[in-house]
Amino acid sequence: DTGVSQNPRHKITKRGQNVTFRCDPISEHNRLYWYRQTLGQGPEFLTYFQNEAQLEKSRLLSDRFSAERPKGSFSTLEIQRTEQGDSAMYLCASSLTGPQPQHFGDGTRLSIL
Amino acid sequence: QKEVEQDPGPLSVPEGAIVSLNCTYSNSAFQYFMWYRQYSRKGPELLMYTYSSGNKEDGRFTAQVDKSSKYISLFIRDSQPSDSATYLCAMIGDTGRRALTFGSGTRLQVQP
Repeated sequence: DTGVSQNPRHKITKRGQNVTFRCDPISEHNRLYWYRQTLGQGPEFLTYFQNEAQLEKSRLLSDRFSAERPKGSFSTLEIQRTEQGDSAMYLCASSLTGPQPQHFGDGTRLSIL
Repeated sequence: QKEVEQDPGPLSVPEGAIVSLNCTYSNSAFQYFMWYRQYSRKGPELLMYTYSSGNKEDGRFTAQVDKSSKYISLFIRDSQPSDSATYLCAMIGDTGRRALTFGSGTRLQVQP
């Protein structure tokens, strides 16, 4: 059983650059979620997709952030004009439809120089 | 005040001890309750998933939910050094929102 896969595992970039992360969910899961986690805190919800439709966005998702899931399979999260405050672990999770548990990947750690 | 409160620890126990981890919450709409374990530089791993009030047991782990008190617990029996990790509680309502609300996590250290 292949779990949720995220790439890259670690991204180092300079302030002001754009970055893109990829998430491959568990194959039969039609829901996909993005969360952000900072040191010493629990994950905070950013957005979620059911198939290719983006159904919910947090107010944390500023206009510099965009997420896509074009064919209802993998998803990308892009951050434009990165800022110091964007440094965090970006986690992806997936689930089946309904009140089903969310399963997480190991995240992409973003470091802004 | 946060919707979900969790003592950050660290909680240090000797190997073989029974560990009790707890969360309180304020939103009465929460219906589904989860416990995740997170090792350093890894993603959260689902341990327990429960609906509404009551107990659920899985091996050395027991999850308890008391909705009347807005209080959930995770018990770990016969704790092992490999249980050393951060434990996150999470919850969600059935209002249609799909976002999990997490506690800030409790760091557990099991001493050999």
